Amino acid sequence: ETGVTQTPRHLVMGMTNKKSLKCEQHLGHNAMYWYKQSAKKPLELMFVYSLEERVENNSVPSRFSPECPNSSHLFLHLHTLQPEDSALYLCASSQELLAGAYEQYFGPGTRLTVT
Amino acid sequence: EDQVTQSPEALRLQEGESSSLNCSYTVSGLRGLFWYRQDPGKGPEFLFTLYSAGEEKEKERLKATLTKKESFLHITAPKPEDSATYLCAVQARVDYKLSFGAGTTVTVRA
Repeated sequence: ETGVTQTPRHLVMGMTNKKSLKCEQHLGHNAMYWYKQSAKKPLELMFVYSLEERVENNSVPSRFSPECPNSSHLFLHLHTLQPEDSALYLCASSQELLAGAYEQYFGPGTRLTVT
Repeated sequence: EDQVTQSPEALRLQEGESSSLNCSYTVSGLRGLFWYRQDPGKGPEFLFTLYSAGEEKEKERLKATLTKKESFLHITAPKPEDSATYLCAVQARVDYKLSFGAGTTVTVRA
């Protein structure tokens, strides 16, 4: 595996379900991110981790719960979601957080549909 | 607050018809401006980083330029495989976050 991988690629869940999204980066990066992408809207930053510590929680509802067990893996735990949470969820990683303008590399995303 | 505005929202081109995409930005001290390409149902793919006004970078038929207020992505003699949504993002000097524009969707007809 190379780059940033995400599983599952597609997920349909009911409003009462609990599910998790998984992200793995194979780039040796120290920072990882979760974004939400809705149609016709800019990417919205949700969470940022640097060296496994959460440094950003961008006013995200508590029904989204991130977890970063090590610098290569990132999870997004989902529970009691709303239909408006349906979107493409993207994971990204970058070499560092603040030391220089490091580009972020994105995974293919998980297309989430909440019914 | 950092702001990024991309125009036009959509662009339809004939194969070989060169054109430019615009990214206007306001940021309190620019650390870097990034261009990404995104195909439908996929994650954004990194293209370029520009750091200071006057800088230019090229990759195949794409050329990105930067001024103090905007960046242009020039597509020279596009091919159908250049069809995608192109995203612009800025990073402020004092921050780690990227502020993204809504993107320009380019469709190139053969």
